[in-house]
Amino acid sequence: NAGVMQNPRHLVRRRGQEARLRCSPMKGHSHVYWYRQLPEEGLKFMVYLQKENIIDESGMPKERFSAEFPKEGPSILRIQQVVRGDSAAYFCASSRDRDWQPQHFGDGTRLSIL
Amino acid sequence: KNEVEQSPQNLTAQEGEFITINCSYSVGISALHWLQQHPGGGIVSLFMLSSGKKKHGRLIATINIQEKHSSLHITASHPRDSAVYICAFVSDQGAQKLVFGQGTRLTINP
Repeated sequence: NAGVMQNPRHLVRRRGQEARLRCSPMKGHSHVYWYRQLPEEGLKFMVYLQKENIIDESGMPKERFSAEFPKEGPSILRIQQVVRGDSAAYFCASSRDRDWQPQHFGDGTRLSIL
Repeated sequence: KNEVEQSPQNLTAQEGEFITINCSYSVGISALHWLQQHPGGGIVSLFMLSSGKKKHGRLIATINIQEKHSSLHITASHPRDSAVYICAFVSDQGAQKLVFGQGTRLTINP
């Protein structure tokens, strides 16, 4: 997992605050995927991005959640006005290109909402 | 009905036993992944399959596209193999995203 870097590893926020999760893909990878794992549940797709483009956001909640992958810098998953139900592990994966390349995962960010 | 089902959900075995975890899916796929997740840890991709069989050390993964079924086998299991094993597929409908099974929690006792 050393290639895909996520930070922070753990993030604690109070209800109503904003959470920003960062993901730096592996070197040479231009495709980034965000997944969420709710407590005692399986992983679920959230969003798929390429540099400066959102390709598929079909798994993103309609409100409060947004994602970006700028030309320079990491991909950011942003959650505004967090609620207790946002507590989960958020994983980022990256791949070199689109055609079902193996996806390399980061170690995840564990978000806890007080 | 989930698009991907794993069995068993939980599996406890003794060190040295041969382990099989099954994964069935209901849609057309372009690839299937087997992933390993340790408690509190990250996710490691073990295999990506589109046909046939792959082997890496004590791990073997097989897939039968016609029957929409894949298996992960562990030979000579060891306590360090204890983890959650997850199968996930990429649909053949063009959406480049993984759809995950619920995972199989494997515990290997010494």
